[in-house]
Amino acid sequence: DQQVKQNSPSLSVQEGRISILNCDYTNSMFDYFLWYKKYPAEGPTFLISISSIKDKNEDGRFTVFLNKSAKHLSLHIVPSQPGDSAVYFCAATGTASKLTFGTGTRLQVTL
Amino acid sequence: DAGVIQSPRHEVTEMGQEVTLRCKPISGHNSLFWYRQTMMRGLELLIYFNNNVPIDDSGMPEDRFSAKMPNASFSTLKIQPSEPRDSAVYFCASSFLTGSYEQYFGPGTRLTVT
Repeated sequence: DQQVKQNSPSLSVQEGRISILNCDYTNSMFDYFLWYKKYPAEGPTFLISISSIKDKNEDGRFTVFLNKSAKHLSLHIVPSQPGDSAVYFCAATGTASKLTFGTGTRLQVTL
Repeated sequence: DAGVIQSPRHEVTEMGQEVTLRCKPISGHNSLFWYRQTMMRGLELLIYFNNNVPIDDSGMPEDRFSAKMPNASFSTLKIQPSEPRDSAVYFCASSFLTGSYEQYFGPGTRLTVT
């Protein structure tokens, strides 16, 4: 029973274009959301987060959008760069400490 | 600053053997998490500790799995006996108990049970 879902296992985007990664959740108690990036043979690293009191958070090339009514969030990367090629995990929490992760989306940025 | 340290990085063992994975969290962090990554289920939380006390072990798959945190700088995840379906990458992460939801992950231990 996946409470956080990333329905696209993979995504390929051309360098310089926008990458959009999507995430859906089912638990209405989730009130804080995070995106992590993972390179092969490394642990996930924190990328960006958003609280449920906001609908957008921006950090450089990365923007996260939250649609609470649809229980949907997305990560926009613009412009995409080859170094962005990685697996991206969406995570959510409604209580201190405990994060629930999605299954990840593998992003490939091509030249 | 050293990040989260995990050992070993790779472990290959035979079915039925005991496996012990080790983790040293970031100094000063007071929450520690053990995750398992598989293709089918992504990153699953197995257990987490606050101030060395286990808070939620509902993700531990079965009694063959156990975790301890004897002090603030060390934790172990033990599987006994191991089974082929335990093959996965196991991550340890740490964070501050309050103030941030951000967790810092170690490089993981890739476990293969044959």
